[in-house]
Amino acid sequence: QKEVEQDPGPLSVPEGAIVSLNCTYSNSAFQYFMWYRQYSRKGPELLMYTYSSGNKEDGRFTAQVDKSSKYISLFIRDSQPSDSATYLCAMSGGVIEAGSARQLTFGSGTQLTVLP
Amino acid sequence: DTGVSQNPRHKITKRGQNVTFRCDPISEHNRLYWYRQTLGQGPEFLTYFQNEAQLEKSRLLSDRFSAERPKGSFSTLEIQRTEQGDSAMYLCASSPAGGAGGDTQYFGPGTRLTVL
Repeated sequence: QKEVEQDPGPLSVPEGAIVSLNCTYSNSAFQYFMWYRQYSRKGPELLMYTYSSGNKEDGRFTAQVDKSSKYISLFIRDSQPSDSATYLCAMSGGVIEAGSARQLTFGSGTQLTVLP
Repeated sequence: DTGVSQNPRHKITKRGQNVTFRCDPISEHNRLYWYRQTLGQGPEFLTYFQNEAQLEKSRLLSDRFSAERPKGSFSTLEIQRTEQGDSAMYLCASSPAGGAGGDTQYFGPGTRLTVL
């Protein structure tokens, strides 16, 4: 079983829809949670970064973390065709000595298409 | 700030040849990571540098792989005696200095390797 599970989709929605993307994880040591957007044949682009449980909003994007359920979500409001991409959740551990790696553990990504 | 850059963007090689990739991180970022991403999967951690010191290596990094970061600036990743299973996107990420805790990693565009 992978440490981070993400529904690969594909997910197709009409323009203007609210999109919900989710990940579950098994490692209770994860404390930092991120969402990246990746266009085809490009590198991942950081969208949202949150620490521990709670919500964070940035424009049309809202990230939610529920550590008790080991579940994170990304909501996209008023989705646009330009939002069509693969969305990757990523997370890293908590108490780490200074100088140690904070490597990210990624989900496999959800492919999203927003239809005009 | 021009972001993380990687060269070459694409590399096609024959099995058994050696290849070298270069990563230039965001200036003044002292942490540098290499990841590998195969089709339909999220990136997987390979190795981590803090300044010029290589502090962690994944078990994915076989003896045929070597990475360097001379002078704590750019980094190179070399694969010797390439195998078809090495075909993947090789991603570099950098992050700024900080204390214990998470950090935000910014990814380059990647080098896509195809081994024939």
